[in-house]
Amino acid sequence: NAGVTQTPKFQVLKTGQSMTLQCAQDMNHEYMSWYRQDPGMGLRLIHYSVGAGITDQGEVPNGYNVSRSTTEDFPLRLLSAAPSQTSVYFCASTNSGGSPGNTIYFGEGSWLTVV
Amino acid sequence: GQQVMQIPQYQHVQEGEDFTTYCNSSTTLSNIQWYKQRPGGHPVFLIQLVKSGEVKKQKRLTFQFGEAKKNSSLHITATQTTDVGTYFCAGPHTNAGKSTFGDGTTLTVKP
Repeated sequence: NAGVTQTPKFQVLKTGQSMTLQCAQDMNHEYMSWYRQDPGMGLRLIHYSVGAGITDQGEVPNGYNVSRSTTEDFPLRLLSAAPSQTSVYFCASTNSGGSPGNTIYFGEGSWLTVV
Repeated sequence: GQQVMQIPQYQHVQEGEDFTTYCNSSTTLSNIQWYKQRPGGHPVFLIQLVKSGEVKKQKRLTFQFGEAKKNSSLHITATQTTDVGTYFCAGPHTNAGKSTFGDGTTLTVKP
């Protein structure tokens, strides 16, 4: 069982470059999310999706785009990378929005550095 | 909006000492979940509490959900070096599809 798969694991970008972080889950989960984690800041929600074709903004959406064309995939696009986007990014999925019995599964993370 | 706060932010203990982290929500929660993130790793689900006043144990870990369902705690008895990491609590958001995470408590254990 692969669970939640994120790629790439590590990436260095130059300021102004764009890139896409890929996320796929094989658990047929409806809900998928992207978080960023900065030192001492916990997990901050960037964007989330409650199903194919439906996305919404989280706490820190600026500079990021998402789409959900299939249940399995939820890519995160950085439009024009900035040093402030240097962070660890986690993709997550769950079978519902935090209802009892439904845990959140996280990918292994993508370490992004913008220089 | 809904806020989930955790204290302390950091805790350094000697191996064998106990450790407790507290989680407080600004709103009543239908359930609360706890996650552990090892250094360099990703958050991994530990447990979920649903009932008011619920207490659950996992070996040396004891989890409690407050009577008002607005706070929770995780207590580790006799810490070991394998307990190091960041412990997060998370509550379901009022908008379906997302959860609100606390900022986490990072535990270091000195052998």
